[in-house]
Amino acid sequence: EVRLVQSGAEVKKPGESLKISCKGYEFLYNSYWIAWVRQMPGKGLELMGIIFPGDSDTRYSPSFQGQVTISADMSLRTTYLQWSGLKASDTAMYYCAIPHYAPDVFDIWGQGTMVTVSS
Amino acid sequence: EIVMTQSPATLSVSPGERATLSCRASQSVSSNLAWYQQKPGQAPRLLIYGASTRATGIPARFSGGGSGTEFTLTISSLQSEDFAVYYCQQYNNWWTFGQGTKVEIK
Repeated sequence: EVRLVQSGAEVKKPGESLKISCKGYEFLYNSYWIAWVRQMPGKGLELMGIIFPGDSDTRYSPSFQGQVTISADMSLRTTYLQWSGLKASDTAMYYCAIPHYAPDVFDIWGQGTMVTVSS
Repeated sequence: EIVMTQSPATLSVSPGERATLSCRASQSVSSNLAWYQQKPGQAPRLLIYGASTRATGIPARFSGGGSGTEFTLTISSLQSEDFAVYYCQQYNNWWTFGQGTKVEIK
């Protein structure tokens, strides 16, 4: 079964760093763009950026450029989303997703990682 | 950035009735439009892509239409499991989502 499994919920303080992960199973990991999507509490979906693990080509939405870093480790079949200095406004659910069966749309999603940033 | 605007924000419908959701793009996205369903505590689920193609396993009561800047998602006869939030997404130029339409029980 094609699936994405994300790391568990995190509670952090403002200014701390964080790296969350998304591991892929049962698909050619180096052949699909992997996206990170943010959903703030009670709000809609925002695509943060995408990475192609095959060559590490990474692209960011303008709103997230410079705010987060997306990376991938092909040997671990794992994609990462990291922050170097969290803010309270980073409190959100974060999803990874891939366009597996349908082109350019996200038909396989991870279960989500809740990040809470609070002093 | 292409802005996607969904209407209405909330749609109150009785089970068995038809629901029609709208999505407008700030510029043409051709047929590069998808619809997702999200239930509380769950990840989004792809319903429709290419404006009108149902994703694998999606029931025939879900149908999509439109092209250019105006799109619709129709649920022909609402079932209890269809009460959720629905998002449109364009993928013609990067990816942007609408703000969502909540379909609630009337």
